[in-house]
Amino acid sequence: DAEITQSPRHKITETGRQVTLACHQTWNHNNMFWYRQDLGHGLRLIHYSYGVQDTNKGEVSDGYSVSRSNTEDLPLTLESAASSQTSVYFCASSDATGGNEQFFGPGTRLTVL
Amino acid sequence: AQKITQTQPGMFVQEKEAVTLDCTYDTSDPSYGLFWYKQPSSGEMIFLIYQGSYDQQNATEGRYSLNFQKARKSANLVISASQLGDSAMYFCAMREVNNYGQNFVFGPGTRLSVLP
Repeated sequence: DAEITQSPRHKITETGRQVTLACHQTWNHNNMFWYRQDLGHGLRLIHYSYGVQDTNKGEVSDGYSVSRSNTEDLPLTLESAASSQTSVYFCASSDATGGNEQFFGPGTRLTVL
Repeated sequence: AQKITQTQPGMFVQEKEAVTLDCTYDTSDPSYGLFWYKQPSSGEMIFLIYQGSYDQQNATEGRYSLNFQKARKSANLVISASQLGDSAMYFCAMREVNNYGQNFVFGPGTRLSVLP
């Protein structure tokens, strides 16, 4: 069965460190998204990609970067982790033809000390 | 500007009763989609129901239905015959389609508690 996975599921890091969160999907979807979820804010879009070599900034992109070298993966990098980036991060994918839903990964809980 | 508004931070409903979760949206695009997701305490995001902006009829999926009022820009979720397992956070979301592709915007969520 097709799926979307994230790793690690939990991560503790220190302020200033570079951190990369992995996202891998086997749906063969062109569209991939990264969100962060914080209490009271719902999900906020960080970055998204509509295909290989395409990346776009979302609502809260400062301090984050992504790259899309193949269809399946969209890793999210925190260049220099800050305590304000402590959050739960969700990766999602959707069909470029306008399919009716995003498929979400299980989430990564990141704590920056 | 807030594109998705969910005015009910928390709701209570008695088991077996129906409940309506409110969602209003703001967009100037003629083509858009509206979604509802459920997030139980385990944390995963579960897709519930979808309504397209051009759909003539309200969407239904089992016990879930979407009360779509386009002129009022509202897309309320109705859960019939509530079950204890319906206790969760519920998020309304909108997909906009522009010249560059798609974008998804989520509301802040409503926490539903089903009482036995």
